[in-house]
Amino acid sequence: DTAVSQTPKYLVTQMGNDKSIKCEQNLGHDTMYWYKQDSKKFLKIMFSYNNKELIINETVPNRFSPKSPDKAHLNLHINSLELGDSAVYFCASSQNPNRGSGNTIYFGEGSWLTVV
Amino acid sequence: AQSVAQPEDQVNVAEGNPLTVKCTYSVSGNPYLFWYVQYPNRGLQFLLKYITGDNLVKGSYGFEAEFNKSQTSFHLKKPSALVSDSALYFCAVRDIDDYKLSFGAGTTVTVRA
Repeated sequence: DTAVSQTPKYLVTQMGNDKSIKCEQNLGHDTMYWYKQDSKKFLKIMFSYNNKELIINETVPNRFSPKSPDKAHLNLHINSLELGDSAVYFCASSQNPNRGSGNTIYFGEGSWLTVV
Repeated sequence: AQSVAQPEDQVNVAEGNPLTVKCTYSVSGNPYLFWYVQYPNRGLQFLLKYITGDNLVKGSYGFEAEFNKSQTSFHLKKPSALVSDSALYFCAVRDIDDYKLSFGAGTTVTVRA
């Protein structure tokens, strides 16, 4: 009964490859996120979708493209992988964080990406 | 703009002693404040949050936090730490008018037996 699940958990790939990380939530939430955690453990938001609509798009290289086929899924596709893309990528979800709501964001277990 | 500061990279305490992890924040409006914990090779687990109301918030695993508006702080506390509390703790803030949750740099807590 995992709430936010993402696959794969570990991914080792070569520079220049294209890879995808999949995420699914069964909490009935309508907002999903991708966060990146770097080697110093800093967490930074990358994207957020609400009801399949992109609402947050931080300064991220356009090699990163999120895709939300429905409210329960938010996948992350990365083209032409670079060494600097090595990080942990966390998927998360919440109810709509509109004004006045203090909805909690729930995180998946992370996907450890290593580019060699 | 919103930001979070966790002034201590590391906190070391003996088991059974009180544990405090500090957090200060900056938002342009009113804040929603959160604490998360991350165990090695795991995701972030929600501990507690302050939305409104009572300044003292109780959460999971015996943790609590106190919202102090005048000092713009939201320190995490536990009266008696356990070795199993050793982990990385993140404070996070969201302005009520913003979608984004911004995290502090994290504080590594080590509880020695």
